[in-house]
Amino acid sequence: DVKVTQSSRYLVKRTGEKVFLECVQDMDHENMFWYRQDPGLGLRLIYFSYDVKMKEKGDIPEGYSVSREKKERFSLILESASTNQTSMYLCASLPSGLESYEQYFGPGTRLTVT
Amino acid sequence: AQKITQTQPGMFVQEKEAVTLDCTYDTSDPSYGLFWYKQPSSGEMIFLIYQGSYDQQNATEGRYSLNFQKARKSANLVISASQLGDSAMYFCAMNTGGFKTIFGAGTRLFVKA
Repeated sequence: DVKVTQSSRYLVKRTGEKVFLECVQDMDHENMFWYRQDPGLGLRLIYFSYDVKMKEKGDIPEGYSVSREKKERFSLILESASTNQTSMYLCASLPSGLESYEQYFGPGTRLTVT
Repeated sequence: AQKITQTQPGMFVQEKEAVTLDCTYDTSDPSYGLFWYKQPSSGEMIFLIYQGSYDQQNATEGRYSLNFQKARKSANLVISASQLGDSAMYFCAMNTGGFKTIFGAGTRLFVKA
């Protein structure tokens, strides 16, 4: 079974702190994604990566950065956390190939910024 | 612009009854894939079913079926014989190739005993 893990289920940070959210997948998938989920808005793509050290902006990249130094690990960084970044963050991975449309999700990190 | 619309924020269904969750989509790409995911209160997203735009038949997976009406651009999820464990958020999503998948706002389903 594909497994995607996230470093924390719940996280509370203060405004202005630098925050790291870690995601690890164990199935050698090329593609990894970070989403945030807010009520009434569904999932919105923040960043994705299709290879080591490669990254692309999604729909809402402002205030976030990412790092992919190893194939299995994709990190989301909030350089200076703000209260409007309080949200549920979901990581996902996807193998390459035309048939590979199903994304595999981690359990999510619920981040609260106070 | 590509868009997924789920117009039902919340729905109730009696246990053992069938329920339909609505999803409409908008894209000008001829090739696309449609997905439904389930998100229980625990938070993880669980893939349920997939329909390709060129598939002739509606997709089915156990108690889940996707009612695909291409001309109407709808991809409704039908859950037969609802169970208490079906209570969750349900998301419709679309991919038109490449890496980006767009998601609807979701429908929260409550199954009553």
